[in-house]
Amino acid sequence: EAGVAQSPRYKIIEKRQSVAFWCNPISGHATLYWYQQILGQGPKLLIQFQNNGVVDDSQLPKDRFSAERLKGVDSTLKIQPAKLEDSAVYLCASSLDIGHPGTQYFGPGTRLTVL
Amino acid sequence: AQSVTQLDSQVPVFEEAPVELRCNYSSSVSVYLFWYVQYPNQGLQLLLKYLSGSTLVESINGFEAEFNKSQTSFHLRKPSVHISDTAEYFCAVSSSGNTPLVFGKGTRLSVIA
Repeated sequence: EAGVAQSPRYKIIEKRQSVAFWCNPISGHATLYWYQQILGQGPKLLIQFQNNGVVDDSQLPKDRFSAERLKGVDSTLKIQPAKLEDSAVYLCASSLDIGHPGTQYFGPGTRLTVL
Repeated sequence: AQSVTQLDSQVPVFEEAPVELRCNYSSSVSVYLFWYVQYPNQGLQLLLKYLSGSTLVESINGFEAEFNKSQTSFHLRKPSVHISDTAEYFCAVSSSGNTPLVFGKGTRLSVIA
């Protein structure tokens, strides 16, 4: 079975520029998560989708971050404008429906460097 | 709110020696507990998990962890480590179903030949 796909793997931008990341979850997984992993820390949830609806975006900095999952499959995460502190690895994960105690499967991540 | 504390940021150990990576959690509700491993330049991989039942859970590559409710701990152990076990290990907790994981800061295990 194919895993969670993410692209690009690496991105370098200057502050105040915008950037977008893409994630394709495992086929059939209704729940999709975006996590931010800053160097030296554990991943922190940004947003959780169930199909194409948002379940939890309480930790998403909505003034600059946005995410969508229009058809309930793949998802994009956007940052506009980027700040230096957004430098991190952005991880996408997916899991089966709510009700199945959660094994989340992670993609390889996108490493963002903001200069 | 839930939280996870990994007491050691770095653990160096000689090859074939035993290792224990410590994890304590805080939660006001029942929890599911996980250990994920992250090899250099790779994503997180599930190592093992505790959902219910036996408090001792094992992975296919020789790691084991024991859920201790009274001590709110889920320490990871391996009796004999290999060079290939060098990686970052993250302990995580969730409260139910597919709620988001709350991660600790990670422990970097370095196995020395």
